[in-house]
Amino acid sequence: GDSVTQMEGPVTLSEEAFLTINCTYTATGYPSLFWYVQYPGEGLQLLLKATKADDKGSNKGFEATYRKETTSFHLEKGSVQVSDSAVYFCALNSGGSNYKLTFGKGTLLTVNP
Amino acid sequence: KAGVTQTPRYLIKTRGQQVTLSCSPISGHRSVSWYQQTPGQGLQFLFEYFSETQRNKGNFPGRFSGRQFSNSRSEMNVSTLELGDSALYLCASTPTSATDTQYFGPGTRLTVL
Repeated sequence: GDSVTQMEGPVTLSEEAFLTINCTYTATGYPSLFWYVQYPGEGLQLLLKATKADDKGSNKGFEATYRKETTSFHLEKGSVQVSDSAVYFCALNSGGSNYKLTFGKGTLLTVNP
Repeated sequence: KAGVTQTPRYLIKTRGQQVTLSCSPISGHRSVSWYQQTPGQGLQFLFEYFSETQRNKGNFPGRFSGRQFSNSRSEMNVSTLELGDSALYLCASTPTSATDTQYFGPGTRLTVL
């Protein structure tokens, strides 16, 4: 079945540091890939997505590239801010009639000033 | 457009009771999915409804059920509550194809005592 593996946290960085959160997946067919972010006490917000191989999703300085050859979708940001502190989830949707997201365990990011 | 709304935001119940949670999707969205989020198991898919029909179901016992109304609003019900049902229950709505983004509500925090 589908699965998502993302790096365990927590991750603690200083402001303006470079961020990478690794994500790899196993899926049948050609899934769509997503990164969601969850701030304390809130639901999930879509951060970015990619729907086919070699697509790059980007938003608010975050980027991730859909790599089919390595089944990966790593999240990167060149310079993190304190306001980026949150839990980040990598997820996939196998598509077709399957409206089910499969999530990774989540990575807690803390950015210190 | 208003986002996904969930009511109530917080619930406290005792073991053996039952509970009903409500979700109103974004206007025009016809698919509603439910997820359970716990610290131990992470985010797990419960079920998905489209045009009042359950199309997908996750690996949860029959105590977990749901329905969708003609206006796309959805409810989920948990009967005979157990301590392990304590979780954040998230609802998400999707507009059209399965690769479209799922938009999440703020969740209902259920505590079972």
